[in-house]
Amino acid sequence: QKEVEQDPGPLSVPEGAIVSLNCTYSNSAFQYFMWYRQYSRKGPELLMYTYSSGNKEDGRFTAQVDKSSKYISLFIRDSQPSDSATYLCAMSAPGTNFGNEKLTFGTGTRLTIIP
Amino acid sequence: NAGVTQTPKFRILKIGQSMTLQCTQDMNHNYMYWYRQDPGMGLKLIYYSVGAGITDKGEVPNGYNVSRSTTEDFPLRLELAAPSQTSVYFCASSAQTGTHFGPGTRLTVT
Repeated sequence: QKEVEQDPGPLSVPEGAIVSLNCTYSNSAFQYFMWYRQYSRKGPELLMYTYSSGNKEDGRFTAQVDKSSKYISLFIRDSQPSDSATYLCAMSAPGTNFGNEKLTFGTGTRLTIIP
Repeated sequence: NAGVTQTPKFRILKIGQSMTLQCTQDMNHNYMYWYRQDPGMGLKLIYYSVGAGITDKGEVPNGYNVSRSTTEDFPLRLELAAPSQTSVYFCASSAQTGTHFGPGTRLTVT
C-alpha cells in the first residue's frame, strides 16, 4: 500500500465549476499537508499548506484536512482555464517541520478546465 | 531573486556515461533536496542537505551522489547511467515559506 494515494484522473470540468481534488494517506505521523500545482514541463509550485484538521482558505482555493479519516482535499471555486494543471498533494515526513520537510507526494491529478 | 535554477534543461546519456546535474538557489536556504519524477509515480526524494557540508540519503539514493560545499549549490552526480535513471529531476530548497522547486532537468538514458 502506498503511503499517499491520489486519483490520477484525468479530470475535466467546465469553466466556473467547483473542483474537488483528494488524497488519502496511511501514516498518521504526517504533520504538514501541502498542495502543489504543476504546469506541463514545469516544476511544482506550492499552492497551500495546512497543519491541523479543518479548512484553510486562500482566494478561490480551500484546503481541507481530516486527520481522523486520513483524508485531505483541495477545492477550487469558479474554476478557470488557467487552473488546468496537475495537482499534487504532499505530506511532510514525521519529525520534520514546515520549511524543513522531506516530502512524500501523491501521484498527482491532471485537471483540465474546459472553456 | 532567480529562485532555484537547474542546468541543463535536457540531456541524453548513453548507458554507462556519467554526468552532473547542477542546482543553485539564491534564497540563502539551508535545506536543499533532489527529487525525481517518473510518470504516474509522483516525486521521490533522492538526497537532501540541511546545510553546507551535510548531506543524507532519501528514499531512492542508489546510483546517485551529492555534495554541498556552499549554501547555494547542490549538484547531483550520476555515475554509470542506467535506463532506470530516465526521469525528470527536480532540485528544491526550503525555508519558512515552504519548499520551492526548480524547473527540472529531463534526462534520458539510452
